[in-house]
Amino acid sequence: DGGITQSPKYLFRKEGQNVTLSCEQNLNHDAMYWYRQDPGQGLRLIYYSQIVNDFQKGDIAEGYSVSREKKESFPLTVTSAQKNPTAFYLCASSIELAGTQYFGPGTRLLVL
Amino acid sequence: KQEVTQIPAALSVPEGENLVLNCSFTDSAIYNLQWFRQDPGKGLTSLLLIQSSQREQTSGRLNASLDKSSGRSTLYIAASQPGDSATYLCAVLYYGGATNKLIFGTGTLLAVQP
Repeated sequence: DGGITQSPKYLFRKEGQNVTLSCEQNLNHDAMYWYRQDPGQGLRLIYYSQIVNDFQKGDIAEGYSVSREKKESFPLTVTSAQKNPTAFYLCASSIELAGTQYFGPGTRLLVL
Repeated sequence: KQEVTQIPAALSVPEGENLVLNCSFTDSAIYNLQWFRQDPGKGLTSLLLIQSSQREQTSGRLNASLDKSSGRSTLYIAASQPGDSATYLCAVLYYGGATNKLIFGTGTLLAVQP
């Protein structure tokens, strides 16, 4: 059963804490993406990766970090430097950068 | 600046009605345009993708058109059903050169009343 999975569904962060959001795909896609969605705003690109061991900053990369050590996995770390982390985070993948993007179910991050 | 705008922000229609959702973009040098559906608290589902060289795409009761020169796309939904209720997002892909990204509109929230 192919697709993109994100975990956890809900995540709570304490002040000053780093948290990591998981994204895994078994679609054999080269490209993967992280977006942030806030109420009343369109999705905004945080980071993207065209291929393993390579990634690029999107429009709002400050306070976030990523890694792409495996083709299937693209974890996102929300660091303590991100002062307004409360949002819905969506991971996506595509065969190539210009291809149709397929989205995971999302992770909602809340600050305690 | 590359921007994508969707009008209206919200729409409520009775079941069975045909409807049109609008999307406009400021930079016409697009690579392709996608329409997505998002149910509350869920991820996005791709509905239709139109390449920049195409004029329209159809899937079932959905038809998307693209007019690059005027910077507009429409999503036509025929014979709407309550199950069509969701937020519909338009996204434009700019690819090649310095920009490689999908830019999203803020969406149209559709409610189909039974």
